[in-house]
Amino acid sequence: AQSVTQLDSHVSVSEGTPVLLRCNYSSSYSPSLFWYVQHPNKGLQLLLKYTSAATLVKGINGFEAEFKKSETSFHLTKPSAHMSDAAEYFCVVSDQTGTASKLTFGTGTRLQVTL
Amino acid sequence: EPEVTQTPSHQVTQMGQEVILRCVPISNHLYFYWYRQILGQKVEFLVSFYNNEISEKSEIFDDQFSVERPDGSNFTLKIRSTKLEDSAMYFCASSNLLSRNQPQHFGDGTRLSIL
Repeated sequence: AQSVTQLDSHVSVSEGTPVLLRCNYSSSYSPSLFWYVQHPNKGLQLLLKYTSAATLVKGINGFEAEFKKSETSFHLTKPSAHMSDAAEYFCVVSDQTGTASKLTFGTGTRLQVTL
Repeated sequence: EPEVTQTPSHQVTQMGQEVILRCVPISNHLYFYWYRQILGQKVEFLVSFYNNEISEKSEIFDDQFSVERPDGSNFTLKIRSTKLEDSAMYFCASSNLLSRNQPQHFGDGTRLSIL
């Protein structure tokens, strides 16, 4: 079974400083990986996806993630945090069996952005 | 941009009562999903649905749960006799292709509170 591990439950950064949210995956084959963001009282919004085309993936709102097979990692980064980035971030792996596809979520990382 | 919409946003129900959570997936999507997130825990897969039948379900999705696409636009999750432990945020999602590379698009969720 595939899984993802988010190494930090809570990350706090100052506005304007870089963001790093860590994710490691476990998969017996090349995984399909996603980052989703959840703002308070909102649904899950797709930030970006990795599907084996390019190892550096750019997403919305200035976020990007790099797939590193040697480290089994898919960390999410942003050069400069904004107050509006404060939210919960989920690293997700996708699997498909037969006529079904399902997502397996990490435990989430809550990003706090301070002035 | 098309959205997945869920109603109600918050449902309060007495234990033992039946509850129906409603979702309108994106109109050209063919694959539908329910996930839940118990407070403080991971987002968990419940069920996937395609071509008017369940394609996969988790062990959480027992006989108390059922899903239905009663018409061309709605996708519902029914819990027959609710328990306290059913209190959670329930998310509906949809996608237009069957592929582990295809992201799923989520609604804002229904917060279900069982008293």
